[in-house]
Amino acid sequence: NAGVTQTPKFRVLKTGQSMTLLCAQDMNHEYMYWYRQDPGMGLRLIHYSVGEGTTAKGEVPDGYNVSRLKKQNFLLGLESAAPSQTSVYFCASRGGEVGELFFGEGSRLTVL
Amino acid sequence: AQTVTQSQPEMSVQEAETVTLSCTYDTSESNYYLFWYKQPPSRQMILVIRQEAYKQQNATENRFSVNFQKAAKSFSLKISDSQLGDTAMYFCAFLSGTYKYIFGTGTRLKVLA
Repeated sequence: NAGVTQTPKFRVLKTGQSMTLLCAQDMNHEYMYWYRQDPGMGLRLIHYSVGEGTTAKGEVPDGYNVSRLKKQNFLLGLESAAPSQTSVYFCASRGGEVGELFFGEGSRLTVL
Repeated sequence: AQTVTQSQPEMSVQEAETVTLSCTYDTSESNYYLFWYKQPPSRQMILVIRQEAYKQQNATENRFSVNFQKAAKSFSLKISDSQLGDTAMYFCAFLSGTYKYIFGTGTRLKVLA
């Protein structure tokens, strides 16, 4: 019973490097989200998707790109990592009777 | 724009006591959903309770209940008989028809033995 799975769980990058975070859900949910969590800031929406092939910007999209080529996967990319992108990243999908979010376990990214 | 405010960054409570976490929100929508999520040290976000705005009855889930006051735009979480396992960060969240969830900044709750 996997639910929402994020990979990798931890990553250390140097400034300027690129990387991709993968989110996979097995619940056939239409909506998927990427959030970042920083101390004292709560969860802030980076990008979201309302279905396969669609993406939209959230509250803090700069420096990130996303793709939703398959319904079950939502990828978050950092083309040129910056120290300000050091954070914990959460993927979530929306489903359920009243639209509750199901979260992955989070990915801790450190940019040196 | 919708906003969610949690004015208590940190709280503590003795084991077996009751504690209330505050949440206020601002919206012009009439139909929406409200949620409380728990994030224990494991980092996993867990849904605690949810409330539909059109329902006047306050939601309850075992030891967790809410005090939903729509006119005041207030959505507080009451934890009864607090347990050590309730130690966590608690986030209030708002959802309207725009697909976007708005989260508060969280309240860190520590249950003391």
